[in-house]
Amino acid sequence: GAVVSQHPSRVICKSGTSVKIECRSLDFQATTMFWYRQFPKKSLMLMATSNEGSKATYEQGVEKDKFLINHASLTLSTLTVTSAHPEDSSFYICSAHRLAGSYEQYFGPGTRLTVT
Amino acid sequence: AQKITQTQPGMFVQEKEAVTLDCTYDTSDQSYGLFWYKQPSSGEMIFLIYQGSYDEQNATEGRYSLNFQKARKSANLVISASQLGDSAMYFCAMSKPRYSSASKIIFGSGTRLSIRP
Repeated sequence: GAVVSQHPSRVICKSGTSVKIECRSLDFQATTMFWYRQFPKKSLMLMATSNEGSKATYEQGVEKDKFLINHASLTLSTLTVTSAHPEDSSFYICSAHRLAGSYEQYFGPGTRLTVT
Repeated sequence: AQKITQTQPGMFVQEKEAVTLDCTYDTSDQSYGLFWYKQPSSGEMIFLIYQGSYDEQNATEGRYSLNFQKARKSANLVISASQLGDSAMYFCAMSKPRYSSASKIIFGSGTRLSIRP
């Protein structure tokens, strides 16, 4: 099956610093990737849709200047949490769609961000 | 707007028994896809089963089956012969049909299933 990786799996950072999370499709090309956020014991909430070569589309209420998304290639999308604060602590999960033939969506293993 | 409702925040089931996890949905789209995902404590999202809105037969995948009742807008997950490893969070979700286009997935609030030995 298709594999999506995320790096890092866990990160602890100090308040005010920025953190970059990578989402990679390892064995397929993905023009579209999605970024989700999950609070403890809660559901996944879509943050933004990342399209290769174009600007990301953010969901209502998500600060685009706070959560910078870059989809520079068909296999890599990055989410940068800028000037992180403790309330940004969460579990971030990406998903990737195959380029063509099948629009199966595959999830990454998630990144747990803790801001101290 | 699309909405997924899971009314069971938690369930306890005896090992080897069957369990049904409830899911209702709301959408104005004629064509859509329904999913169930399992999320163990590790956090990864594990795809379990998919049902397309125009699929006439209920989907089955091993011990998992989806009881799709379109008129009632329900898509309950049935797990037969539950196992200890089934203990996890289960999410019902909706999207465009699986093979139509890349589209975002809307998730329900989830049901935490605990299997008793």
